[in-house]
Amino acid sequence: GAVVSQHPSWVICKSGTSVKIECRSLDFQATTMFWYRQFPKQSLMLMATSNEGSKATYEQGVEKDKFLINHASLTLSTLTVTSAHPEDSSFYICSARDTGAGNEKLFFGSGTQLSVL
Amino acid sequence: GENVEQHPSTLSVQEGDSAVIKCTYSDSASNYFPWYKQELGKRPQLIIDIRSNVGEKKDQRIAVTLNKTAKHFSLHITETQPEDSAVYFCAASATGTASKLTFGTGTRLQVTL
Repeated sequence: GAVVSQHPSWVICKSGTSVKIECRSLDFQATTMFWYRQFPKQSLMLMATSNEGSKATYEQGVEKDKFLINHASLTLSTLTVTSAHPEDSSFYICSARDTGAGNEKLFFGSGTQLSVL
Repeated sequence: GENVEQHPSTLSVQEGDSAVIKCTYSDSASNYFPWYKQELGKRPQLIIDIRSNVGEKKDQRIAVTLNKTAKHFSLHITETQPEDSAVYFCAASATGTASKLTFGTGTRLQVTL
């Protein structure tokens, strides 16, 4: 099946720094990608929808200036956590829609564990 | 917005028994309901999905039922095996696609020998 690659898998940073997370669709083009946040033993919370060539759509309560999303190509979306603080520590996971061949499937990246000290 | 509730939060069954996980949703416009399996330390993977024009869908040992009137849908796993042990998430979307999914809180399924 389709593969979505997410990097890095984990990152530790100091408070106040910015962290960039990459999400790539390896064998299909994804005009739409999604970014989620997952707290321990909790569900996936949709943060934003990343649209290739246009602005991301953010869910209510998600600060767009805090979580910058760029979807510059059909295979790459990036999430930048700006001026990270300890409360931003979480598991971030991306997904991409593969709509090829009439299918409608969502493929997830392997996630990024962010720890802000 | 959409609210998806999922029960139970944990489920333990013996190998060979059946497992049922139930979800309810609040938005009557929801029309796409996927189920994802997330093994420990791995990414969620789609195992089955159903659209609102269908009441039941089956794929080998896995089946999903949908009751639009009551706004609930269920995952049924028969003849469970140890490799079925994982966290299962239901989700709902009103877009007819995997866009803007609202996820349930997850069910940790443990299949014991």
